[in-house]
Amino acid sequence: SQTIHQWPATLVQPVGSPLSLECTVEGTSNPNLYWYRQAAGRGLQLLFYSVGIGQISSEVPQNLSASRPQDRQFILSSKKLLLSDSGFYLCAGNRDRRVYGYTFGSGTRLTVV
Amino acid sequence: AQSVAQPEDQVNVAEGNPLTVKCTYSVSGNPYLFWYVQYPNRGLQFLLKYITGDNLVKGSYGFEAEFNKSQTSFHLKKPSALVSDSALYFCAVSSSSNDYKLSFGAGTTVTVRA
Repeated sequence: SQTIHQWPATLVQPVGSPLSLECTVEGTSNPNLYWYRQAAGRGLQLLFYSVGIGQISSEVPQNLSASRPQDRQFILSSKKLLLSDSGFYLCAGNRDRRVYGYTFGSGTRLTVV
Repeated sequence: AQSVAQPEDQVNVAEGNPLTVKCTYSVSGNPYLFWYVQYPNRGLQFLLKYITGDNLVKGSYGFEAEFNKSQTSFHLKKPSALVSDSALYFCAVSSSSNDYKLSFGAGTTVTVRA
């Protein structure tokens, strides 16, 4: 079965500092990978998705970027964090887009101060 | 464009009573429907899915959901709620017309009182 690993679990960063969140996948190859942000413990906003190495699609314009340097690695980055980047970030992946839905990581709580 | 509506922000029930969390969707083509549950500061856990076949789908922890094509609904149900079912529930839809990306509802907070 597919497992999504995310770290760190919590992060407090000052405004203007860089960000790097990592997500790795275990148990499957060539998954589709997704970064979501959840604000105020409610709705999920799709930020980026990737169907393969080096292939990134952005869903919304923002201060963040994503990269996929390896098949099972998906990184969320920022050069300079804003207060509005605070939130709960979730990585997700799926083996078969049609059937299995997504498997989610445990999330990273980012607080920008 | 595809979308999901969860009309209730909160659902409160007493333990032992039936639980229903409502979900309606809009999608082009055949829908694939999912329910996820989230506990505080945790990722989402898969509960059940409808892809094709029987309209009544059974999932984890005694939950079930019924696909109703004419009403474009996929309500989540549990015959007898437990206090441990208190959590945030998300309905989601995907379709071939949107490259199978999942679109989530805003979530419904379920509180089961002892």
